[in-house]
Parts: sequence; C-alpha cells; structure tokens
Amino acid sequence: QPVLTQSPSASASLGASVKLTCTLSSGHSSYAIAWHQKQPEKGPRYLMNLNSDGSHIKGDGIPDRFSGSSSGAERYLTISSLQSEDEADYYCQTWGTGFHVFGGGTKLTVL
Amino acid sequence: EVKLVESGGGLVKPGGSLRLSCAASGFIFSSYNMNWVRQAPGKGLEWVSSISSSSSYIYYADSVKGRFTISRDNAKNSLYLQMNSLRAEDTAVYFCARVSSSTSGADFDYWGQGTLVAVSS
Repeated sequence: QPVLTQSPSASASLGASVKLTCTLSSGHSSYAIAWHQKQPEKGPRYLMNLNSDGSHIKGDGIPDRFSGSSSGAERYLTISSLQSEDEADYYCQTWGTGFHVFGGGTKLTVL
Repeated sequence: EVKLVESGGGLVKPGGSLRLSCAASGFIFSSYNMNWVRQAPGKGLEWVSSISSSSSYIYYADSVKGRFTISRDNAKNSLYLQMNSLRAEDTAVYFCARVSSSTSGADFDYWGQGTLVAVSS
C-alpha cells in the first residue's frame, strides 16, 4: 500500500500564499488523495479530493483560497491570502481496498 | 446539517474494554460507509477501521486487528467501536468519519469532534 510523505512544518506570512506537498511512494503516483485541516481541540475538516490530473472537488464551505494541484507523485495544497485561522495541521489521505493511509501531517505557522 | 457526535471515551486500565459510539444526523446514514480514525497525543492521524453501509465489508488496521470490533445500527443512525484488550498505545482521541459520496474515491468528507480514550493504570 502507498506511503504518504509530508514535510513536518511550513510557515508563511499573513496575506501570503503557501504550497504544501504530499508525496506518494514509488509505484503509487496515480492515486487520488484528500486534504484535511486539523486545528487543536477540533475534529478534522475535509478540504478537498485531489486526483492525479490535478482535478479537485472541494468540501462544503471551503473558500476559494484553498486549491489543489498535482504533478507526478506529488499532490499540492495551495492556500492563498493566508489568514490567522489557517494556522493548523494539514494531512493528506489516500485509500485502497481495505485500507486508508494518512501522511504524517504538516504544521503550518502563519507569521 | 451533517453531524457526527462521538461518545463513550474515558479512562480505562490496560487490558480493559470500552465501547465508543458515534451518533449521526443530517444525512441518510444507511447509505454511507463509515470509519474510525484516532490521534494519539502529539501524533498524526491513524486510520483504525472501516465498515460499509450494509456492514458487508469490514476492515481493520493491523494495530487493532483482533482486539477492536466495528459495527453499526442503521435503524439508530449509530456507529460503534468495541475496544478490548486495551493497551497504553491505544490512548488517543477517536474520531468517526463519513466516506464521501460526491467523489469516486473513499475520502472522508465529514468528521466528528472526537472522544478521548486514555489507557493507564
């Protein structure tokens, strides 16, 4: 089954943009993923489904500031016009028959 | 409004048992596959178990296989996780999550707030 690799941390300034990366392990570059946001003391929030061709479907109420893209085995989450409430952990998720896998998460700090 | 509310967490001794519940509302529960996911203190998300809409297909992570049992009652719009032979490493916040029907995949589109399970003597 695939392994998802994420950088442990990222930072960007208020109002700027940031691009987070989720990398699929070798042989699994065709997998779709999902992005989730996790804030302390809250349940995760689904952001979007992201396919290998970059097409994505966002969750209910997710602002246009959040977008997704893909290149090979890499899946990206771009957040533009960063706001303080975007400071959170971001996880990618993928799946197959009988399993689900999460990346280790990226802690985003908004400066 | 889709709502998932977990309950049943608490402090339990190693080797003990606990049953978690997830009450669903705002959607046709019987039409959706459901999951349990956990997050240990300071750690990332870990998938625990999945159950299909009619309970025909059930899967577990290796870390809980043989100790945990997932089930559902569609008449009561509820999801359950029976946890036996609990270990310290099972300490985590447990979330229930719904599988999306809007995509062709199995991504989790709604999550609960979680319930804390602490295993300690």
